[in-house]
Amino acid sequence: AQSVTQLDSHVSVSEGTPVLLRCNYSSSYSPSLFWYVQHPNKGLQLLLKYTSAATLVKGINGFEAEFKKSETSFHLTKPSAHMSDAAEYFCVVSLGGTGRRALTFGSGTRLQVQP
Amino acid sequence: ETGVTQTPRHLVMGMTNKKSLKCEQHLGHNAMYWYKQSAKKPLELMFVYSLEERVENNSVPSRFSPECPNSSHLFLHLHTLQPEDSALYLCASSQFVGGNQPQHFGDGTRLSIL
Repeated sequence: AQSVTQLDSHVSVSEGTPVLLRCNYSSSYSPSLFWYVQHPNKGLQLLLKYTSAATLVKGINGFEAEFKKSETSFHLTKPSAHMSDAAEYFCVVSLGGTGRRALTFGSGTRLQVQP
Repeated sequence: ETGVTQTPRHLVMGMTNKKSLKCEQHLGHNAMYWYKQSAKKPLELMFVYSLEERVENNSVPSRFSPECPNSSHLFLHLHTLQPEDSALYLCASSQFVGGNQPQHFGDGTRLSIL
């Protein structure tokens, strides 16, 4: 079984300050982990993915995430928030390898960026 | 430009109507998916197709009927829907069905049931 918990439903930061969106997962096997972003009236866009290579994963738009097995966490960070980062962010977990069909989505974190 | 295109973007229908949602992917992928996104609920996987064969149906009511005529096109046929079916319906594709495959999403169809 697998599950994912996004610890904050809403996060508000000021433009130019760091962003931290928290995600914890549960998985019986070595997981694949993803972060997606969804802007209003848009579909989900892949930010980055972890698939058992380097534990620090760099994504698009200056985002990165660190896989910490001991803490079962995969938090998303960005050093300096931009107004265009305001969106909903989803942490996603899936079992590694082939044959597993479903991704398990977190409930999302809405990021607000104040001017 | 997204590689996954969904039409229509918005759809309003009565409970007795029949309509279809369309999804087309231009990425050469072999797997396609339908998701339902409701307010304040996690994304729900509805159907998975691999090479035009349905490989997963997550207990979706029969008023939703998927169709995958080829690996580039996916439809969701709707009939006799209920108000609780109002949601954003997202289509996605991936290279193959598999746990480490990132999915590419369309912008969705916003469905409202009167």
